[in-house]
Amino acid sequence: DAKTTQPPSMDCAEGRAANLPCNHSTISGNEYVYWYRQIHSQGPQYIIHGLKNNETNEMASLIITEDRKSSTLILPHATLRDTAVYYCIVRGTYKYIFGTGTRLKVLA
Amino acid sequence: GAVVSQHPSRVICKSGTSVKIECRSLDFQATTMFWYRQFPKQSLMLMATSNEGSKATYEQGVEKDKFLINHASLTLSTLTVTSAHPEDSSFYICSARDLRTDDYEQYFGPGTRLTVT
Repeated sequence: DAKTTQPPSMDCAEGRAANLPCNHSTISGNEYVYWYRQIHSQGPQYIIHGLKNNETNEMASLIITEDRKSSTLILPHATLRDTAVYYCIVRGTYKYIFGTGTRLKVLA
Repeated sequence: GAVVSQHPSRVICKSGTSVKIECRSLDFQATTMFWYRQFPKQSLMLMATSNEGSKATYEQGVEKDKFLINHASLTLSTLTVTSAHPEDSSFYICSARDLRTDDYEQYFGPGTRLTVT
């Protein structure tokens, strides 16, 4: 499974869009990009996933570059409750391999 | 839908004893469940993959005799930490795959915090 690289931490002002980048330069054609987040001392929560096309749901948008070597998770209007560690995962086989994630802090 | 529970949420045990953690899929059937371990301020590390009715597959470096996994039904997997030591203190998280879907989305439990004294 491809490895992912994310910035260790980011801050975002409440109400603004949070853009979380992820590099996955070794991704293969049939590997999906998944995003999860983990709020302190809880299990990870699914956010969104995609293969090639951009995706949007009620929580977030996922933008995948045309060469699929990177992606960006967008939280359109961040709230204090979005403070968490965000994990970008590239899944090829049945396993998830978690990277180090990005610790997002939403500031009031 | 797609809720996964874990029991207990917290457990404290003495060194040398064994502890069993349960992982249940509440509203779906899961042929495959996964067990992860997470140390403070670190990421989740996959320990093993549990398939209903067959032996678990352990990741490299994880002792299968120490971390016993049983997946006896489509809704229950258990992880038993045998002869626990303080270094086994960690946050243990399970996840499950929903049989109904074609994709490989995993649903995570809330985690179990194990403290070995």
